[in-house]
Amino acid sequence: DGGITQSPKYLFRKEGQNVTLSCEQNLNHDAMYWYRQDPGQGLRLIYYSQIVNDFQKGDIAEGYSVSREKKESFPLTVTSAQKNPTAFYLCASSIRDGLETQYFGPGTRLLVL
Amino acid sequence: AQKITQTQPGMFVQEKEAVTLDCTYDTSDQSYGLFWYKQPSSGEMIFLIYQGSYDEQNATEGRYSLNFQKARKSANLVISASQLGDSAMYFCAMREAISNFGNEKLTFGTGTRLTIIP
Repeated sequence: DGGITQSPKYLFRKEGQNVTLSCEQNLNHDAMYWYRQDPGQGLRLIYYSQIVNDFQKGDIAEGYSVSREKKESFPLTVTSAQKNPTAFYLCASSIRDGLETQYFGPGTRLLVL
Repeated sequence: AQKITQTQPGMFVQEKEAVTLDCTYDTSDQSYGLFWYKQPSSGEMIFLIYQGSYDEQNATEGRYSLNFQKARKSANLVISASQLGDSAMYFCAMREAISNFGNEKLTFGTGTRLTIIP
């Protein structure tokens, strides 16, 4: 079955620690995105990538980093510079078909210890 | 300025009734897209329906329809014959250009929590 997988489902971070969230898709989509969702809020764009080896900052990129070495994979690293990382993180992908509908993974909930 | 406005933080609807979730948007672009997503308690965002700015007909997908009023800049979601499984958060989103190179992003509203009462 085609889809987007994210792991882990829950992630705990200690102060000063970098953590990496995984996002994999087998939909053959070119574009991939990372969003952050805080309680009672909509989604905010962190980073996006339209093609392999290229990515761009979104609205709230500070304290995060990404890579796009393979079409299927778009990992997100939450660095120690992100002072308020507790949130729900959603990965999405889309195909360039004019509609650009984004399909989402199940999400990773990050908690700070 | 907020680009997507959802004014109903929560709604309670009797099972089998129809429900309308409001969404207004703000853009100066001529070409844009409007989406509705459902987020159940599990957290995953599920795509429901899409409306393009140039589409003359209102979009429909099964029990979902989008009441698109371009002059009013509104894109309300209508769910017919509501079911208990429709209880979830619903988000309206607009696709807009980020750059001149074809990059686009979705801007989301703050959502409406819909609860279906048996």
